[in-house]
Amino acid sequence: GAVVSQHPSRVICKSGTSVKIECRSLDFQATTMFWYRQFPKQSLMLMATSNEGSKATYEQGVEKDKFLINHASLTLSTLTVTSAHPEDSSFYICSAPEGGHYGYTFGSGTRLTVV
Amino acid sequence: QKEVEQDPGPLSVPEGAIVSLNCTYSNSAFQYFMWYRQYSRKGPELLMYTYSSGNKEDGRFTAQVDKSSKYISLFIRDSQPSDSATYLCGSRAFGNEKLTFGTGTRLTIIP
Repeated sequence: GAVVSQHPSRVICKSGTSVKIECRSLDFQATTMFWYRQFPKQSLMLMATSNEGSKATYEQGVEKDKFLINHASLTLSTLTVTSAHPEDSSFYICSAPEGGHYGYTFGSGTRLTVV
Repeated sequence: QKEVEQDPGPLSVPEGAIVSLNCTYSNSAFQYFMWYRQYSRKGPELLMYTYSSGNKEDGRFTAQVDKSSKYISLFIRDSQPSDSATYLCGSRAFGNEKLTFGTGTRLTIIP
């Protein structure tokens, strides 16, 4: 089946630094990538939708300048958390619809801890 | 009101029991319905998807959709400890790629 490879799985960074999370679609082209944030014991919160070659669409309340999304190719989308602060600590997950498939494939997630 | 409502649990059942997980939704435009399983600190994995109303079976899992009552169900037969996870229901409308998820139900199967 379709696979979305997400890296890193875990990252610890100092407050004020930036962190980049990558999601690559393997064996299929992801024209769209969804980025979610998940707090402990809570559901997935959609942050933004990225489309290859165009600007990302952010959900209400999500800071565009804080969470930079780039979808430069059909197989790679990145989320950069800029000037990270402890409140940005969370589990970030990407997801892509596979063409002709009603279900969506998720990455394995990135646990970000800002200290 | 959330578009997809799901009892967060937690739900604990003995091994071998039949598990029933449920969601309700309010958006009449939803046509596609999915169930995902998420283990702790992992990304969700697709278990079942259905289009419109009806049943779908895959091994020990059965998904049901009743559009008249806007009710989504997942049944797990002969439950195993390895089924212990959080189960998320998701829905979307035709022509809209954005998925709407329930809050997830934490399930524990007791050996």
